[in-house]
Amino acid sequence: EVQLVESGGGLVQPGGSLRLSCADSGLTFSNNWMTWVRQAPGKGLEWVASIKKDGSEIYYVDSVKGRFTISRDNARNSLFLQMNSLRGEDTAVYYCVSGDHFNYWGLGTLVTVSS
Amino acid sequence: QSVLTQPPSASGAPGQRVTISCSGSSSNIGRHAVTWCQQVPGTAPKLLIHSDNQRPSGVPDRFSGSRSGTSASLAISGLQSVDETDYYCAAWDDSLHGWVFGGGTKLTVL
Repeated sequence: EVQLVESGGGLVQPGGSLRLSCADSGLTFSNNWMTWVRQAPGKGLEWVASIKKDGSEIYYVDSVKGRFTISRDNARNSLFLQMNSLRGEDTAVYYCVSGDHFNYWGLGTLVTVSS
Repeated sequence: QSVLTQPPSASGAPGQRVTISCSGSSSNIGRHAVTWCQQVPGTAPKLLIHSDNQRPSGVPDRFSGSRSGTSASLAISGLQSVDETDYYCAAWDDSLHGWVFGGGTKLTVL
């Protein structure tokens, strides 16, 4: 069974950086697309970025291009999201998602960008 | 403004059948299968339907999905109080080179 645990969220000032991590305790991490999806307070779901199983394909939503970097370490069953130049509109719960069809979701980690 | 359009709300009485629509375009739903997720407010979303009409194990067969042209629908039959939550559609978009979500539909069981 896939269990995803995010960490690294917190309060950061505008312009600051954070690195989110997601640990996958399942046995199929290296076989799956991995994705970050976020949800601003009181808002809907927004896709942020996805990375193919071997890292050969990476996609970002336009609003984070050049600021966020998704990466993975298949040896450690871990997914990462490096977030730089953070803005208020990046405030959200960030979910780590496994699978081609958003099959498994973590509980999320809250990122708050505020001075 | 979401790329995929869902009604903000839907409702039905217990036992009834309700459908939630998801409207897109030729660059997303017109070319790619639709995924539906269910989210109880305050908790993480979970996969409900993928590949237009495929239910993961554990999802009741009361839930079904369909896609035609640039639109998709989620149908819930035999409505139960536990179904009162939020539903999101999603699809890959070739023009945006990424996934797009609908704005979500809050289902109320009357």
